[in-house]
Amino acid sequence: EDQVTQSPEALRLQEGESSSLNCSYTVSGLRGLFWYRQDPGKGPEFLFTLYSAGEEKEKERLKATLTKKESFLHITAPKPEDSATYLCAVQAGGNTGKLIFGQGTTLQVKP
Amino acid sequence: ETGVTQTPRHLVMGMTNKKSLKCEQHLGHNAMYWYKQSAKKPLELMFVYSLEERVENNSVPSRFSPECPNSSHLFLHLHTLQPEDSALYLCASSQDRSGQPQHFGDGTRLSIL
Repeated sequence: EDQVTQSPEALRLQEGESSSLNCSYTVSGLRGLFWYRQDPGKGPEFLFTLYSAGEEKEKERLKATLTKKESFLHITAPKPEDSATYLCAVQAGGNTGKLIFGQGTTLQVKP
Repeated sequence: ETGVTQTPRHLVMGMTNKKSLKCEQHLGHNAMYWYKQSAKKPLELMFVYSLEERVENNSVPSRFSPECPNSSHLFLHLHTLQPEDSALYLCASSQDRSGQPQHFGDGTRLSIL
């Protein structure tokens, strides 16, 4: 069964304190792994797509990496505006476009 | 307007009412999706449409009825809902269904009395 597990559920950081969020997955035929950011009262905002093990993507203070079993979202020197819930999703083989989401990691960055 | 727009943003309805949720995408995408986001649960796919044809119904109860009149518009018709249907309903679109990122609207917050 295709499955996505994110850890930790919640993370509190001081401003400037770097850390990583984990997304473990089991999927039959990975078509893509996606990271999203979701602010309260808003829909998920697309951040990155990773397609194959070893791939890395960067955007400002965020860097996403992918292995055959998991993905990490590294946050370097976070700022309070990075506070949000970060969602990981995978698309399995087949052609329905179905995304399977994890439960998310809620990040709070204190000044 | 740009991106994916959903209306209304909030909806309160009784169990016997009939209402519709609307989604419009301005991205020129060919696939559109409905997802349900309940408290403490992961986002859950409900329906997938590609070029106005339904390609996935993720075991959704018949009290939810989708409609896709063209590639830019998607509706979710609601009738005889249950209290457990209270949730955030999100619409998304993507260029195609093979590994392209999905872009989401801000959702409709639905409350069933």
